[in-house]
Amino acid sequence: DAGVIQSPRHEVTEMGQEVTLRCKPISGHDYLFWYRQTMMRGLELLIYFNNNVPIDDSGMPEDRFSAKMPNASFSTLKIQPSEPRDSAVYFCASSSGTSGSPQETQYFGPGTRLLVL
Amino acid sequence: KNQVEQSPQSLIILEGKNCTLQCNYTVSPFSNLRWYKQDTGRGPVSLTIMTFSENTKSNGRYTATLDADTKQSSLHITASQLSDSASYICVVSEWGGTSYGKLTFGQGTILTVHP
Repeated sequence: DAGVIQSPRHEVTEMGQEVTLRCKPISGHDYLFWYRQTMMRGLELLIYFNNNVPIDDSGMPEDRFSAKMPNASFSTLKIQPSEPRDSAVYFCASSSGTSGSPQETQYFGPGTRLLVL
Repeated sequence: KNQVEQSPQSLIILEGKNCTLQCNYTVSPFSNLRWYKQDTGRGPVSLTIMTFSENTKSNGRYTATLDADTKQSSLHITASQLSDSASYICVVSEWGGTSYGKLTFGQGTILTVHP
């Protein structure tokens, strides 16, 4: 398996523009997670899906952020309008079980490095 | 408020030496604790996952310990290699029953191994 695939790997945009980040989870995994990582705040969970359904979006910073998972093999994280403080590395991860299961491991993608000017 | 504190923030050691990273948490109710290794410019990779009943778990040269009573964990790296240079992140999960448990992340320890 190719692992979790994210695109683009790097994105530079201007404040106010719409940004769309994409993720393809590992085939067969039924959980998908979106994370954000910054030097100041470390790693933060934004939202997660189970069987394509958003379960917990309490980590989404504000209404400018939205995430969708139209099918089991694709998810998007959209920021509209983008702001400089959104600059961060955004990771997508997938797993085959809940965090409560000792067998469950989350597999992270390579991340998208976003810079909003 | 649930917190995960890691120490030290950064550590420099010589190749071949051992080191220990610490993680203290206040997450309750506790479900499990994970250690991740994150190389520069890459996503985190899971090293170990431990539940309440597990005291120690090994993954090659990495050995994690857990004391659920004192809410402390450590990650011991034996015979360090240059490739161990990375950020090590401790993540603690709340018990969520049949649902996904809320995660609390540590800020990470940056390990640098010099030849």
